[in-house]
Amino acid sequence: GAVVSQHPSRVICKSGTSVKIECRSLDFQATTMFWYRQFPKQSLMLMATSNEGSKATYEQGVEKDKFLINHASLTLSTLTVTSAHPEDSSFYICSARDGRADSPLHFGNGTRLTVT
Amino acid sequence: AQSVTQPDIHITVSEGASLELRCNYSYGATPYLFWYVQSPGQGLQLLLKYFSGDTLVQGIKGFEAEFKRSQSSFNLRKPSVHWSDAAEYFCAAYYNTNAGKSTFGDGTTLTVKP
Repeated sequence: GAVVSQHPSRVICKSGTSVKIECRSLDFQATTMFWYRQFPKQSLMLMATSNEGSKATYEQGVEKDKFLINHASLTLSTLTVTSAHPEDSSFYICSARDGRADSPLHFGNGTRLTVT
Repeated sequence: AQSVTQPDIHITVSEGASLELRCNYSYGATPYLFWYVQSPGQGLQLLLKYFSGDTLVQGIKGFEAEFKRSQSSFNLRKPSVHWSDAAEYFCAAYYNTNAGKSTFGDGTTLTVKP
């Protein structure tokens, strides 16, 4: 149980275009979802926290207008990278937890974004 | 501030040897503690978790971890490492007071020698 599906796994886009990444909890209700960015050989950098039905909370230094997050339902959150630039190329990972205090994070398999 | 420290950036062990990956957490209260494993190009998979009770917890793939309050540690162990265990390992802590966010260590890269 507790499967999180993240799509696409890989995407290549041209500079200036927008890319949407989906994160779905398949068998549980994700009251909170998190979006991370991971650089090679580094740990996860939390970008934002999203709760169903409310605006996402962004970490310091993360541009909310560039990284649009929507958590419209208890099973779906999306991250849209707007007007992508080569420096946005990275590995993006989502995770989700249900409402229990002892719920671990359940991770998607990540999305490798390459902006050309 | 809450923090999780993994002192070892990179560990190399021979296949069949035992393994211990270190993790220390800070903060006054005992958090919920987790170990995750990440294979290249993949997301993170939960190995085990500790909330309360028995301080030695068993996880998947033959891993176990021991919580030691006196040392603020939650070290991951495996008696006999397999080549497929080569991956990145992350220790994480969750505090109820942190708006649902988890704090991750910087990770330890495990290399397994044949």
